[in-house]
Amino acid sequence: QKEVEQDPGPLSVPEGAIVSLNCTYSNSAFQYFMWYRQYSRKGPELLMYTYSSGNKEDGRFTAQVDKSSKYISLFIRDSQPSDSATYLCAMRGVTGGGNKLTFGTGTQLKVEL
Amino acid sequence: GAGVSQSPRYKVAKRGQDVALRCDPISGHVSLFWYQQALGQGPEFLTYFQNEAQLDKSGLPSDRFFAERPEGSVSTLKIQRTQQEDSAVYLCASSHVAGIAGVDTQYFGPGTRLTVL
Repeated sequence: QKEVEQDPGPLSVPEGAIVSLNCTYSNSAFQYFMWYRQYSRKGPELLMYTYSSGNKEDGRFTAQVDKSSKYISLFIRDSQPSDSATYLCAMRGVTGGGNKLTFGTGTQLKVEL
Repeated sequence: GAGVSQSPRYKVAKRGQDVALRCDPISGHVSLFWYQQALGQGPEFLTYFQNEAQLDKSGLPSDRFFAERPEGSVSTLKIQRTQQEDSAVYLCASSHVAGIAGVDTQYFGPGTRLTVL
């Protein structure tokens, strides 16, 4: 079983919908949680990061971390066709292993007009 | 440069050939990472450099994989005697921060798509 599980989708929603993307993980050492967006044939780009449990909001994006449940979420409000991409959750610990990230498989999102 | 660059963007190799993939990190970035992304999967860690020192190579799948960063800037990932299972996108990322404290944004390059026939 992988350390980080993510539903691969694909997920298709109409423009303006609220999108919920989720990951679960098994390694309790993970302390930093990130969401990356990856467009086709491009490298991942960082969208949001959260340290430990809590919520963080940035424009239309909200990241939530529940360490007690080992569950993280990314919400996208008022989704746009330009949000169509693969969303990757990533995480790492504080000690040991340097800064290497452990990624989920990615969820492919399509926002349709 | 403006971002992380990788070359070549696409590489086709015959099984058994050696390949070399290049990464130019953002100028001044101390940390450099290589990841392998198979089709439909998330990136998986291969190796990590802090300046010229390779501090973690635990993700390299076999001794056919070798990475170097001799002057602490440009890095090369070499794969010897390529196999079909090596077909993947190889991503390079760099970050400014050394060590493990704080959040260090890893900036990714566009990747090199390797196809082994």
